[in-house]
Amino acid sequence: DAGITQSPRHKVTETGTPVTLRCHQTENHRYMYWYRQDPGHGLRLIHYSYGVKDTDKGEVSDGYSVSRSKTEDFLLTLESATSSQTSVYFCSISGGATGEQFFGPGTRLTVL
Amino acid sequence: KQEVTQIPAALSVPEGENLVLNCSFTDSAIYNLQWFRQDPGKGLTSLLLIQSSQREQTSGRLNASLDKSSGRSTLYIAASQPGDSATYLCAVRPSNDYKLSFGAGTTVTVRA
Repeated sequence: DAGITQSPRHKVTETGTPVTLRCHQTENHRYMYWYRQDPGHGLRLIHYSYGVKDTDKGEVSDGYSVSRSKTEDFLLTLESATSSQTSVYFCSISGGATGEQFFGPGTRLTVL
Repeated sequence: KQEVTQIPAALSVPEGENLVLNCSFTDSAIYNLQWFRQDPGKGLTSLLLIQSSQREQTSGRLNASLDKSSGRSTLYIAASQPGDSATYLCAVRPSNDYKLSFGAGTTVTVRA
């Protein structure tokens, strides 16, 4: 398995509070992604990164920001959490000769 | 925009039967195609990766084919087992991008 960890794995927070999710990789892959997965919507891309300090928006980026100060770490921040951001969040990486994509174990976030 | 479709959305078969899962995509200009497995409450596990220049890939009981010209891929699972019960997702990476387009998945139940 690719070396991807996500923290925390579970979090319950209240509406209006800031939340930061962390993704850490040990594969030295260039590309990193944040997705959310919700019933009936499948996997949706929030933000992605194509290098240190290089990030761009995905299809559902409103209310989220990201940062990548090191190759191995990609942070997702919810500046002011809302109940609509209750979801399972997956980090993913890709790179190498084949471009194969790997996923982390996910973070289950509940916003009350 | 690449559209990826997986039909059927759900499939139930008796143990021992061969599984055939279908994936279709609208734009044949792809870099690679990847099949994933997702168990309930878990992350995505990469099963097979087919590069655009390849016609098929095999791993154990799994075989995936790719026909770019017709925009189709098929995942075959031989002699299904109850442990094969999961959701299987197909994802396509365009040749000019590094973001995957996902199908909605096929949920497979193998009855003992």
